[in-house]
Amino acid sequence: DIQMTQSPSSLSASVGDRVTITCRASQSISYYLNWYQQKPGKAPKLLISAASSLQSGVPSRFSGSGSGTDFTLTISSLQPEDFATYYCQQSYSTSWTFGLGTKVEIK
Amino acid sequence: QVQLVQSGSELKKPGASVKVSCKASGYTFISYAMNWVRQAPGQGLEWMGWINTNTGNPTYAQGFTGRFVFSLDTSVSTAYLQISSLKAEDTAVYYCALSSSKHWGQGTLVTVSS
Repeated sequence: DIQMTQSPSSLSASVGDRVTITCRASQSISYYLNWYQQKPGKAPKLLISAASSLQSGVPSRFSGSGSGTDFTLTISSLQPEDFATYYCQQSYSTSWTFGLGTKVEIK
Repeated sequence: QVQLVQSGSELKKPGASVKVSCKASGYTFISYAMNWVRQAPGQGLEWMGWINTNTGNPTYAQGFTGRFVFSLDTSVSTAYLQISSLKAEDTAVYYCALSSSKHWGQGTLVTVSS
């Protein structure tokens, strides 16, 4: 199975900060990497698919990059509504795997 | 628009069974496989497996064999997750999600408690 290692597990940041979350796959997954945002009590929301493709309606302050094994989610200027937990997920294999998540908290 | 609507919360006793439904609308049901994802309280997302909506063939992740069964009723565009011999550690929110990754159900909380 493909393992996904996500870091950090949590971070504290202020409104306006630039935030970067990384995800590393245990083998090459090409660009088959998705990023989700999850808020308490809600289903995960797909932000970015195929490593860098921003979903419709997702603010442009979110961006994704990477290919192969190393990927990054960047929030260019953190907004109050961005405090949430973020997960990476590989869809290279029909057997999905998720990173353990990054909780973004208010500093 | 594509929607996945799941059945409501369930409270079950240990040893009982539960069947969670996921009704799809807004697209051709057999166009996408259906995945199931578990989220235990305060924990991350755990992929349980998927079912081919064309053939009905299920694939289960490690740790989800034996007591977990995926099924379909294509006549009503609905996928099901059945869990038997429930244990306290099955307490979680269960999500259905399309293979496109974009569309998820709202989640169903299953609580197992005596």
